Amino acid sequence: KQEVTQIPAALSVPEGENLVLNCSFTDSAIYNLQWFRQDPGKGLTSLLLIQSSQREQTSGRLNASLDKSSGRSTLYIAASQPGDSATYLCAVRTQGGSEKLVFGKGTKLTVNP
Amino acid sequence: EAEVAQSPRYKITEKSQAVAFWCDPISGHATLYWYRQILGQGPELLVQFQDESVVDDSQLPKDRFSAERLKGVDSTLKIQPAELGDSAMYLCASSPRLGTSGLYAQYFGPGTRLTVT
Repeated sequence: KQEVTQIPAALSVPEGENLVLNCSFTDSAIYNLQWFRQDPGKGLTSLLLIQSSQREQTSGRLNASLDKSSGRSTLYIAASQPGDSATYLCAVRTQGGSEKLVFGKGTKLTVNP
Repeated sequence: EAEVAQSPRYKITEKSQAVAFWCDPISGHATLYWYRQILGQGPELLVQFQDESVVDDSQLPKDRFSAERLKGVDSTLKIQPAELGDSAMYLCASSPRLGTSGLYAQYFGPGTRLTVT
């Protein structure tokens, strides 16, 4: 059974700092990995999608890496801003069957002005 | 940009009552998912459709939950009777057809926040 773990559970940083969020998964048989952002009481916004054959993806100040063999991904946020404050969720798309997403519990990020 | 639509956004109901949620996926997306997210947790899959057929409902509490996607487009998730433990965010997502979906992201709607009193 696929399990996804995100560390840390919460993170508080001053504005302007670069930061890294971590995600690990137990089964490397995945199609892709997706990072989401969730604001309080809202739905999920897709940030980055990394295919299993890729090593990283970049979008603006965000960079996500994937090491499938070791079951790890990182989300790097450069020059953090208060507007980046949210919960960040990592999910892997399982191979076979329903190809469902399996989520971690998320990292709650607070960027202080 | 196309979006997944859900309604209602918020629902408060008393336990033992029936409640229903609606989802309209992105046009052309054959695969539709219903997830439940308890506060402080990641979403967990309840049921998945490919067109009008159920692909995975292994985590759906079938004694009280039902889901349908009659014409392979929009979908309804129903709870009857609702219990206190059903209080959660119910999220709908869509993606292109299975077998190609490894290449594509899942796109989520805004969710329905259910409170059972």
